[in-house]
Amino acid sequence: GEDVEQSLFLSVREGDSSVINCTYTDSSSTYLYWYKQEPGAGLQLLTYIFSNMDMKQDQRLTVLLNKKDKHLSLRIADTQTGDSAIYFCAESKEDSWGKLQFGAGTQVVVTP
Amino acid sequence: DTEVTQTPKHLVMGMTNKKSLKCEQHMGHRAMYWYKQKAKKPPELMFVYSYEKLSINESVPSRFSPECPNSSLLNLHLHALQPEDSALYLCASSQGEVGNTEAFFGQGTRLTVV
Repeated sequence: GEDVEQSLFLSVREGDSSVINCTYTDSSSTYLYWYKQEPGAGLQLLTYIFSNMDMKQDQRLTVLLNKKDKHLSLRIADTQTGDSAIYFCAESKEDSWGKLQFGAGTQVVVTP
Repeated sequence: DTEVTQTPKHLVMGMTNKKSLKCEQHMGHRAMYWYKQKAKKPPELMFVYSYEKLSINESVPSRFSPECPNSSLLNLHLHALQPEDSALYLCASSQGEVGNTEAFFGQGTRLTVV
């Protein structure tokens, strides 16, 4: 998706924090989402944030939204080997109901 | 229950075959989706059903034919597919609220066309 960009790869040591970044171009985005996909599996919705918020925390996950820079990040605290997966950010817009625009995905590899 | 169930998990079909993919959800969601995902790529939207009516068709070839028999079920009928149609086919559902596509995905059907 050319409207949403992510870095392609992140390596992190077990127990450290991971930060996955995403940038988007359209200021009309209403909701921004983070999905996790393990090998051979479907997408798991991790969390989402409404565009008028700047932070959301859910257990080990913290989402930060910088609307001025159109930058979204997902922080995973105390990263575990089970967190190894591809992480997609996605956006939805009020004028294109039903469509999710996905980024290319960030492959996160957790090493012991 | 936040589960979307897809069957079968794997499917191998010839180019002259007709087959169907099935999807079911019992979350009371009124929007259901078909996505296609190629290896190492993000999902691509194919179809959206809203309140059992087709609302979005992303210019998908007619060899893919969706059907929504009721609010809990979504089918994708396949006919005369090509090898390049081999992919992971994902079903998803959401509440159907304007602007919020908080979609829950199934585990997918891995389709191989030979």
